[in-house]
Amino acid sequence: GESVGLHLPTLSVQEGDNSIINCAYSNSASDYFIWYKQESGKGPQFIIDIRSNMDKRQGQRVTVLLNKTVKHLSLQIAATQPGDSAVYFCADRPGTYKYIFGTGTRLKVLA
Amino acid sequence: DVKVTQSSRYLVKRTGEKVFLECVQDMDHENMFWYRQDPGLGLRLIYFSYDVKMKEKGDIPEGYSVSREKKERFSLILESASTNQTSMYLCASSSEGYGYTFGSGTRLTVV
Repeated sequence: GESVGLHLPTLSVQEGDNSIINCAYSNSASDYFIWYKQESGKGPQFIIDIRSNMDKRQGQRVTVLLNKTVKHLSLQIAATQPGDSAVYFCADRPGTYKYIFGTGTRLKVLA
Repeated sequence: DVKVTQSSRYLVKRTGEKVFLECVQDMDHENMFWYRQDPGLGLRLIYFSYDVKMKEKGDIPEGYSVSREKKERFSLILESASTNQTSMYLCASSSEGYGYTFGSGTRLTVV
């Protein structure tokens, strides 16, 4: 079946270092991908998106990379800060109204 | 600032009660969604709606119903609440071609 998964359930990084969070998706028809950040007790918040006709997209301190050949998505956070501590999850859209979400990776920023 | 508003942050209900969770969006989005989020299971789609008075079952509709009488409002109804419906409920809306905007969530406890 369709699934979106994450390689690591928890990622600990030193403050100031770069973070890389990975995601695998299974549906080759997916044409749109999003990364969300969810802080404790809050709803998910949009971080960055990318369409399938792109390989890379940059935002403020964040970059999303898409490798359609191996169905892999990654989120890079530059100069990780304590405020980046949260659960991050990806979502893909396999051509319908709804999205398929991964279960999430918890990012812990160490002082 | 555009947003999705869920009427309650925390709710405690008794087994067998009828429960209404309300969601309102101010972005004129066509699509609205109800998810539940449980540890280790991620986001699971309960119901969604792509137009007023239209509804579609998601992956776990059993025990739930929905109502969308106006474009901006999407209600989730637990006909007879049970303890296994204790969860975080997230409402989201989207416009075609774009990702979700989530509400802050309602943490429901059924005792």
